[in-house]
Amino acid sequence: AQTVTQSQPEMSVQEAETVTLSCTYDTSESDYYLFWYKQPPSRQMILVIRQEAYKQQNATENRFSVNFQKAAKSFSLKISDSQLGDAAMYFCAYRSAASGGYNKLIFGAGTRLAVHP
Amino acid sequence: EPEVTQTPSHQVTQMGQEVILRCVPISNHLYFYWYRQILGQKVEFLVSFYNNEISEKSEIFDDQFSVERPDGSNFTLKIRSTKLEDSAMYFCASRIPRPQSPLHFGNGTRLTVT
Repeated sequence: AQTVTQSQPEMSVQEAETVTLSCTYDTSESDYYLFWYKQPPSRQMILVIRQEAYKQQNATENRFSVNFQKAAKSFSLKISDSQLGDAAMYFCAYRSAASGGYNKLIFGAGTRLAVHP
Repeated sequence: EPEVTQTPSHQVTQMGQEVILRCVPISNHLYFYWYRQILGQKVEFLVSFYNNEISEKSEIFDDQFSVERPDGSNFTLKIRSTKLEDSAMYFCASRIPRPQSPLHFGNGTRLTVT
């Protein structure tokens, strides 16, 4: 079974600085999708960024980018120019690309990010 | 932008009572999911639903739980006889039938069992 590990329960960053959140996963599959979701205090789950495993290029969405290392099964999230509104719980998630289409997301335990002014 | 809508936002119930959590997925989405998150803990998969039937369920999703899509728009989660440990945030999610499409989550229903 696939597992997702986020080894940093909490991280903090100064406003305008850069922070990297770590995520590793375990799978025997070669095709899959990886996601980062943000959960602010409102508890809503908001998609931050996604990566297809077959793509070598790292995904980027504005101030958010990933470092996808397929061989190492690592998928870290970098937040540049951190803003107060980035303070939230961040979840890394894995989804198999195996046939079925309805495959579930498997979440890591989350990293709570604090942003200090 | 279309959203997944969940009602109610907060439900308080007594142990042993039945509750129904409601969700309206995004209209062109075909895959539906329920997840739960006990306070401060991991987001856990409960069930996925496609083509009017359960496609996968977790060990958590025992006989006390059921899902239904009664009218082509609503997607409900029923807990027949609630227990204290069912207290959690319940998230509905949906997505389109493209392999790489992400899940879109609702705002969640906070269930408190007393």
